Amino acid sequence: NAGVMQNPRHLVRRRGQEARLRCSPMKGHSHVYWYRQLPEEGLKFMVYLQKENIIDESGMPKERFSAEFPKEGPSILRIQQVVRGDSAAYFCASSGPGNTIYFGEGSWLTVV
Amino acid sequence: KQEVTQIPAALSVPEGENLVLNCSFTDSAIYNLQWFRQDPGKGLTSLLLIQSSQREQTSGRLNASLDKSSGRSTLYIAASQPGDSATYLCAVTDQTGANNLFFGTGTRLTVIP
Repeated sequence: NAGVMQNPRHLVRRRGQEARLRCSPMKGHSHVYWYRQLPEEGLKFMVYLQKENIIDESGMPKERFSAEFPKEGPSILRIQQVVRGDSAAYFCASSGPGNTIYFGEGSWLTVV
Repeated sequence: KQEVTQIPAALSVPEGENLVLNCSFTDSAIYNLQWFRQDPGKGLTSLLLIQSSQREQTSGRLNASLDKSSGRSTLYIAASQPGDSATYLCAVTDQTGANNLFFGTGTRLTVIP
């Protein structure tokens, strides 16, 4: 049973480009969470999704960031017009019926 | 708003020493508290989860305690080993039980052989 899979693991984007980060939850999990870890800061909750629904997006920046978890396929965190301050590690986590949360290995975004 | 603080930020100990990592949180109305381990460039591995009704949890050389009323938790590591070197993160969830975790900034542990 594969764990939470994130790709790409590392992504470099120039300012103004778009970044797309993908997350495949553990098999049988229908809840996905995205967290961001800025340099020298703790992880911060961004968004909680179930299939085709955003449940809680209280941690998402108001502009340029969006997330989806379609009926088929991985969850996508999309950052439009990236800026240097978006450089961070983005972690996806998933949970299932037992409510235990499992984290992926993260996607490191560098904006140059 | 819940805030989680971990001290010290970094700790170096010789191999074999017992050590304690501290975590404090401002809002005692939590659902549970978890300790995670994070290796450089890697994701998070859950070590111990303590429900709000529990006082402690043990796994091998690790023991985590929870004093909800004072907003404190400790992670005790016995007989430390170089392989224990990592960043240890404390996180709490609120009483809705939702998986919106509030994380501390972590303690970076180095165990010197």
